[in-house]
Amino acid sequence: NAGVMQNPRHLVRRRGQEARLRCSPMKGHSHVYWYRQLPEEGLKFMVYLQKENIIDESGMPKERFSAEFPKEGPSILRIQQVVRGDSAAYFCASRQDGSRETQYFGPGTRLLVL
Amino acid sequence: KNEVEQSPQNLTAQEGEFITINCSYSVGISALHWLQQHPGGGIVSLFMLSSGKKKHGRLIATINIQEKHSSLHITASHPRDSAVYICAVEVKTSYDKVIFGPGTSLSVIP
Repeated sequence: NAGVMQNPRHLVRRRGQEARLRCSPMKGHSHVYWYRQLPEEGLKFMVYLQKENIIDESGMPKERFSAEFPKEGPSILRIQQVVRGDSAAYFCASRQDGSRETQYFGPGTRLLVL
Repeated sequence: KNEVEQSPQNLTAQEGEFITINCSYSVGISALHWLQQHPGGGIVSLFMLSSGKKKHGRLIATINIQEKHSSLHITASHPRDSAVYICAVEVKTSYDKVIFGPGTSLSVIP
C-alpha cells in the first residue's frame, strides 16, 4: 500500500503563472488535508476535504487559492497568479474514515516563485 | 500566545544522550501527534496519542490531558535522529483541524 503521494516534488513558477499541486491519498482514505510551511515558519492548516466536498477552508487565502478532491483522481491545490510570497512547502495528509484514525503525510511539494 | 508551544526551540546533544522535547497546548484536543521532519524532507508521523504513553523503538511519547502537556523522549540518541520534531494537536471540533507547534530542531553530535 503506497503512502500519500504528492507531485510534483518541486515546482518553479514565474510570478503571475498558475501552480497546480496534486495529492494522491493512501488507498481507502477519503479525507485529505492541505498544509503550508512558509520558509522559517511552522506548518499551518489550509483546507480539509472529503470526496467532492470542502469541509473546512478557513486556513486558505480567500483569493487565488482553491482546492478540490474529486470523486476520481487526486486532490488538487491550485494557486492562480502566484506571487513570491507563495513560495513554500505544501504538504497534504490523508486519513481513513473514523475519528480515531491518524493522518499520514505526503512528502510535500516545494514551490518556488521567481 | 500560540495555542501549541514547544521547548526547547533548539537542542544539541551528544550521541547516546537521553533527550526530552516538551509540548504544551491551550485548546481542547481529541489527539496529539508527534512528527519528524528531516532537513529538506517530508514529514513522518511518529505517534498519535489521546492518553497515556506509547513506545516505538527508542522513542517514547507521553501525554497528560489534564495538564495539557506531552513529552517526546529519545533514548540512546544517534546522529540520524537529527531533525525537527513537531508537536501537532487535533482540535476538538468536528473537523479534526490540526494546529502545529513551532518545532524543536534537534542536532545529535557523534
